[in-house]
Amino acid sequence: EAGVTQSPTHLIKTRGQQATLRCSPISGHTSVYWYQQALGLGLQFLLWYDEGEERNRGNFPPRFSGRQFPNYSSELNVNALELEDSALYLCASAGSAYNEQFFGPGTRLTVL
Amino acid sequence: QKEVEQNSGPLSVPEGAIASLNCTYSDRVSQSFFWYRQYSGKSPELIMSIYSNGDKEDGRFTAQLNKASQYVSLLIRDSQPSDSATYLCAVREGSSASKIIFGSGTRLSIRP
Repeated sequence: EAGVTQSPTHLIKTRGQQATLRCSPISGHTSVYWYQQALGLGLQFLLWYDEGEERNRGNFPPRFSGRQFPNYSSELNVNALELEDSALYLCASAGSAYNEQFFGPGTRLTVL
Repeated sequence: QKEVEQNSGPLSVPEGAIASLNCTYSDRVSQSFFWYRQYSGKSPELIMSIYSNGDKEDGRFTAQLNKASQYVSLLIRDSQPSDSATYLCAVREGSSASKIIFGSGTRLSIRP
């Protein structure tokens, strides 16, 4: 069974640009979670999508947004990139909100 | 602000010994607890889930939960060099089915 996949693996942008990160959940999973892990820091919850709807978001500014598609894959958009947005962005999927979360390999975003 | 606290380490344990990792949490109504292992530069990997007070064993790993003390631990028996990683304690908020709060992790080093 294929795990959570994310693309791209690495992404380099300049300050002020927009970044789009993609995630495909494990087959049969309907919940997708996004986390940010800055270097040397813990995982910070960004967004949760389930059945195509945004269910919860963490303490991040509105320039962090996303969506979930009918096939349950998800996209994270970061607008007006700032240097401090440089981090590993992790996507996790779960069979439902009450189930365990399984992580993808992450997208390393570097903002220059 | 609900919190999950872990000693950042590094915790150095000789090969073959028992490694003990500890975690405390602030949300009294939390019901779900997880341990993830994260190798440097990689994404977190779920190794244990525990939902009831007491011990849960899986191979060389034992998770222990004490809800009254708001304390969860992970024991690794017969520690191997491949166990060297950062271990993340994660707690699902009691009031929100979706949100999991991660501790900042304990770095474990197994010395030969």
